[in-house]
Amino acid sequence: EAGVAQSPRYKIIEKRQSVAFWCNPISGHATLYWYQQILGQGPKLLIQFQNNGVVDDSQLPKDRFSAERLKGVDSTLKIQPAKLEDSAVYLCASSSFNEKLFFGSGTQLSVL
Amino acid sequence: GENVEQHPSTLSVQEGDSAVIKCTYSDSASNYFPWYKQELGKRPQLIIDIRSNVGEKKDQRIAVTLNKTAKHFSLHITETQPEDSAVYFCAASKSNTGKLIFGQGTTLQVKP
Repeated sequence: EAGVAQSPRYKIIEKRQSVAFWCNPISGHATLYWYQQILGQGPKLLIQFQNNGVVDDSQLPKDRFSAERLKGVDSTLKIQPAKLEDSAVYLCASSSFNEKLFFGSGTQLSVL
Repeated sequence: GENVEQHPSTLSVQEGDSAVIKCTYSDSASNYFPWYKQELGKRPQLIIDIRSNVGEKKDQRIAVTLNKTAKHFSLHITETQPEDSAVYFCAASKSNTGKLIFGQGTTLQVKP
């Protein structure tokens, strides 16, 4: 069984630039999550999708972050414009019917 | 809001000794408690989980205990091996949401 796929693996940008991350969940998983993991901390949920609808985006900084899952499968997370404090690993995860979460390898973002 | 506290932040043991990591949660409606292991630069991987209708669960050298009254749960690793060295995260969620709230992580070092 293929796992959660994410790209790119690494990204380095300057502050105020834009960046986008892509995620392909495990086949058949209806629920998709984007987590932010700052160095030395546990992952923090940014947004949760159920199929192509948003279930929870209460901790998403909506002035600069956006995410979509148009066809209920792949998802993209965008940051525009990026700030220094956005440097983190962005983890995508998926689950079937809100059960066990499986994580992708993440995108490590460095904002200079 | 929902919160998960994890202790200790670092733990160093000799190979063959036991290791215990403890977590407390704030939301009494939480009913699902997974533990993830994250090696440096890799994705968090689910190693064991427990639901609120069970007090203890064991899988080979790993066990998890849950005290619903006190709202705390613990990870026990026996006969530790150097390959157990990693960061361990506890998490809690309500199964109808799937949203995991993570602890801050425990860096476990097993000395050969």
